Amino acid sequence: DAGVIQSPRHEVTEMGQEVTLRCKPISGHNSLFWYRQTMMRGLELLIYFNNNVPIDDSGMPEDRFSAKMPNASFSTLKIQPSEPRDSAVYFCASSPDPPYNEQFFGPGTRLTVL
Amino acid sequence: AQSVTQLDSHVSVSEGTPVLLRCNYSSSYSPSLFWYVQHPNKGLQLLLKYTSAATLVKGINGFEAEFKKSETSFHLTKPSAHMSDAAEYFCVVTSFSNDYKLSFGAGTTVTVRA
Repeated sequence: DAGVIQSPRHEVTEMGQEVTLRCKPISGHNSLFWYRQTMMRGLELLIYFNNNVPIDDSGMPEDRFSAKMPNASFSTLKIQPSEPRDSAVYFCASSPDPPYNEQFFGPGTRLTVL
Repeated sequence: AQSVTQLDSHVSVSEGTPVLLRCNYSSSYSPSLFWYVQHPNKGLQLLLKYTSAATLVKGINGFEAEFKKSETSFHLTKPSAHMSDAAEYFCVVTSFSNDYKLSFGAGTTVTVRA
């Protein structure tokens, strides 16, 4: 298995632009997670999907952030409009049921908003 | 409620000497515990996990951890450090009562001296 796949690996954009991050979970995994990692705050859970349904989005910072999972093999995290404080590494992770099993992380997307 | 405390933010060892990374946890229910490693500019990789089976858990790359319920600890050890072990290590706890949420420690950065 190729593991969790994320794209792009690096993204540099200007403040106000829309940013879309993409994730392909491991085949057969029913749970998908988006995290954000910064030096100041460490790893933060943004949103959790189970069987393509958003279960908990309480970690999404504000309305500028949205996430979708249209099918079992694809998810997106969108920021619109982006701000410099959104600069971070964004990780996608997937997990087989039950969701409290270990999570398998993708390589991350390093986002820089100028 | 659940939480993790990693007792050392930074550990420096000489190549070939033992490594000890300390982790204490708090959980209202029987926990699942994990150690993840993150090399620079990489995603998180699972080193090992404890899920109520044997209390001494062996992981990849020669690492092992011992679950001690009486001490609420899950320390990570390796008998002989290698240069490639230089990375950040995260102790993580979850439980059935928390469904899916992983609670991450703040991380321990390991430096290996030649």
